[in-house]
Amino acid sequence: ILNVEQSPQSLHVQEGDSTNFTCSFPSSNFYALHWYRWETAKSPEALFVMTLNGDEKKKGRISATLNTKEGYSYLYIKGSQPEDSATYLCAPDSNYQLIWGAGTKLIIKP
Amino acid sequence: NAGVTQTPKFQVLKTGQSMTLQCAQDMNHNSMYWYRQDPGMGLRLIYYSASEGTTDKGEVPNGYNVSRLNKREFSLRLESAAPSQTSVYFCASSEDDSPRGEQFFGPGTRLTVL
Repeated sequence: ILNVEQSPQSLHVQEGDSTNFTCSFPSSNFYALHWYRWETAKSPEALFVMTLNGDEKKKGRISATLNTKEGYSYLYIKGSQPEDSATYLCAPDSNYQLIWGAGTKLIIKP
Repeated sequence: NAGVTQTPKFQVLKTGQSMTLQCAQDMNHNSMYWYRQDPGMGLRLIYYSASEGTTDKGEVPNGYNVSRLNKREFSLRLESAAPSQTSVYFCASSEDDSPRGEQFFGPGTRLTVL
């Protein structure tokens, strides 16, 4: 079973500021890295699925990068808005199972 | 499209009681999953089904059984509930016949075992 670490556990950011957080995972037997967004009282929703070293994906103000050789991925949010408040989960895929991190809880202060 | 639906939304059981959590998806997905989510921990896979008629254990299968009734439905059964099974249970599905595709989640079932 992989050891997936997300940091920080929680983050308070002023509205309008940009921010980023990290997902670390063992680099062996890597197939893909998933990022999900989980709003309170809702269900997780997929943001990105990344497979190649050096991959960079973007959806609006949110982007992610992937380094499979050193085993990390960054998620960036540019110009944070209140609707970005959520828990962001990463999950590497190895051996046909997603192993989920505990998430980074992002709170945007107006 | 309802996506992934789960019933019930909430349930309280006494230790030793049994129950079945129901999950259905209308996206014609091949793979379905059951997770549990506990405070401070990531989602943990209980069982998954890569296709109709097949099921496989995940990380935490003990105390649970599953049935892939047809392509749409995947149920999770607790035969003799224990307080350690108090959790929020999520069902998910994905198009691929492996967990490697994007997963779509149901709204969750909050289960309390007294």
